[in-house]
Amino acid sequence: DSGVTQTPKHLITATGQRVTLRCSPRSGDLSVYWYQQSLDQGLQFLIQYYNGEERAKGNILERFSAQQFPDLHSELNLSSLELGDSALYFCASSVVGGTGNTIYFGEGSWLTVV
Amino acid sequence: TQLLEQSPQFLSIQEGENLTVYCNSSSVFSSLQWYRQEPGEGPVLLVTVVTGGEVKKLKRLTFQFGDARKDSSLHITAAQPGDTGLYLCAGDEGGGATNKLIFGTGTLLAVQP
Repeated sequence: DSGVTQTPKHLITATGQRVTLRCSPRSGDLSVYWYQQSLDQGLQFLIQYYNGEERAKGNILERFSAQQFPDLHSELNLSSLELGDSALYFCASSVVGGTGNTIYFGEGSWLTVV
Repeated sequence: TQLLEQSPQFLSIQEGENLTVYCNSSSVFSSLQWYRQEPGEGPVLLVTVVTGGEVKKLKRLTFQFGDARKDSSLHITAAQPGDTGLYLCAGDEGGGATNKLIFGTGTLLAVQP
C-alpha cells in the first residue's frame, strides 16, 4: 500500500460524458501527479501540482483538467469523453515537487468509455 | 518529446535463469529510475541512478546507468516467479522544481516455476 488513495477504482461511462477522478496523496506529500496508462501509449505524464499550484504539464488534452485543493487532494476531470480515453489513470504523490524525489503511485482508476 | 525504448518487450523465462532488460534514449536525462508494476497496482520504484556509469545493486537486481546518461540496463540473476511483472524505466525530464518522468515502453517479464 503506497498510501495514495484513488477513487473510483473502476468506472464505465458513455462517450460524450464527463467524469471526475479523485486522489488523496500520502500524508505529508505536497506534490500530486496524474499519469495515463494505455496499451498503445504506455504510461504518460499528464500534469503535476505542488501545494495547490500547477507545476508542470505534459500530454494533457484540453478536454481534461485538474486541480489540487487546499487539503492537498486532487481531482482530474475528463470531459467530452471519447473511446480513446479508455485507460488506467494513476495519481502519484511526493513530499516535494523537485527532480529526484521519490514518487508513490496509487492503484489507479480504470476508465472504460463505451 | 523524449522517448525511452525498452527491449525486449516481452520475456518469458524459467526460474533460475538470468536476464537483462535495456532502456535506451537519444536524449540525456538528469536521472533514470526503474519501476516494477504488478497487475492491478501502480508502479513501484526500484532504484534511481544519477551519475553516468553508476551501478546499483538491489539483492539479485543490478542496475547500470550509461556513461552518457542516455541508457540503462537492469540485470536479474537467478530469476524467481516473484520477479514477474512489468518493468519500466523512467527518465527525469523535469529538472529543478519539477519532477516530470518520461516512461519507457515497458518490458513484461514472466518467470515460470
